[in-house]
Parts: sequence; structure tokens; C-alpha cells
Amino acid sequence: DVKVTQSSRYLVKRTGEKVFLECVQDMDHENMFWYRQDPGLGLRLIYFSYDVKMKEKGDIPEGYSVSREKKERFSLILESASTNQTSMYLCASRPPGLAGSADTQYFGPGTRLTVL
Amino acid sequence: AQSVTQLDSQVPVFEEAPVELRCNYSSSVSVYLFWYVQYPNQGLQLLLKYLSGSTLVKGINGFEAEFNKSQTSFHLRKPSVHISDTAEYFCAVSDYNQGGKLIFGQGTELSVKP
Repeated sequence: DVKVTQSSRYLVKRTGEKVFLECVQDMDHENMFWYRQDPGLGLRLIYFSYDVKMKEKGDIPEGYSVSREKKERFSLILESASTNQTSMYLCASRPPGLAGSADTQYFGPGTRLTVL
Repeated sequence: AQSVTQLDSQVPVFEEAPVELRCNYSSSVSVYLFWYVQYPNQGLQLLLKYLSGSTLVKGINGFEAEFNKSQTSFHLRKPSVHISDTAEYFCAVSDYNQGGKLIFGQGTELSVKP
């Protein structure tokens, strides 16, 4: 069975802290994604990666960075957390290939981050 | 750039009633269309997707959606809902020309009442 796991379901951090959100998939997928989900805004893409050590900015990358050292793991980093980064963060993975845009993305359960 | 609009933010409905969740996307030469569902405290899972061929697509849990190219719509329907269908539903578009990124709508909260 397909599985995407995220390191924490709930996280509370203070303003200015460095925050790491971890995502692991067991499907050998090349493509991985980080989204944030906010009420009334749907899901917005922060960063994505097509392969190990590769990364591309999404629609809202400001204030975030990512790391992909191994194929199965994609980390989202908040260098200095701010209150406006309080949100639900969702990780997803997808198979590779020319048909990739037609393939299903598989999502983790999400991490609800609160920055105080 | 591609965009997706879900016309209703909340849809309350009684159990066993029919429901339609509306989705419109901006025009593009070639798109793939998806509906995802998010049950409370869970991630998203795929309900159905349209890639090509028949414009009526059937998905899991009795849901179906109709692709209408002239109206750039992809509305989701179910003839009789259950309490367990209470969830948030997201319409999404994948534009081949944008590297296959998924563009999501704002979401529709479906609330099924007994």
C-alpha cells in the first residue's frame, strides 16, 4: 500500500525558531512536493523536487527552503519561523515520466504548525 | 497561468439527497483534471481524474464528474450522499505545459446532515 508519512501531526514553535518538517515516501517516486493549506485558499505549492538534490520553487517559496538528500525523503525548512507561517503543511509524491502530469499525487496526513 | 475556481465554499445537504460541487478552470490547450477529497484530520486522496476520452468519469464512493470543454467545467456529482461523505473536496488542474504542477481550487466543504 502506498504510504507518505510526515514526522509530526502537530507542532508548536516560537517566532524566530528554525523548523524542520520531514516527509518520507515508500513508493520510490522521483517527484515530491510541499504545499501549505489555508482556509479559503486551497493548497498552494511551496517547493517541489524532481530528483535527489534537485529543487524547484513553487508559487509561494518565500521564507522556506527544502532539502532532498535521499530519494525517499523531502524536508521543508523554515529558517526563521514567523506567525504568518502558521498553517497546515502537506507533503505529496508522484511517479515520474512524461505522463507525470496525469499521474496521481499521494499525500501525507499533514503537519499542523502553529508559530507563536 | 492556469487557475481553478470552486464556486461554493460550503455545501450543506441532507443525507440521501443528490449533490453537485462546481469547479471551473481557466482555458488551456491541454489539461488533466482531478478531484481530491480530504476527510477530517487526514491528507488528500484521489476521488477521480479526467485525462482523455469519455467526458463522464466515475470515481470511488459513487462519485462522478463531467468534463465540459466548452464551459471549462468539471463538476462533481453524487446521486445520494451519506453522512460519511462529509469532507472537504478539492478540484485541481494539471497543465502539461507547466511541468505537470497541480493547481488547486479553494476547496468546498460538504456537510451531510441526518
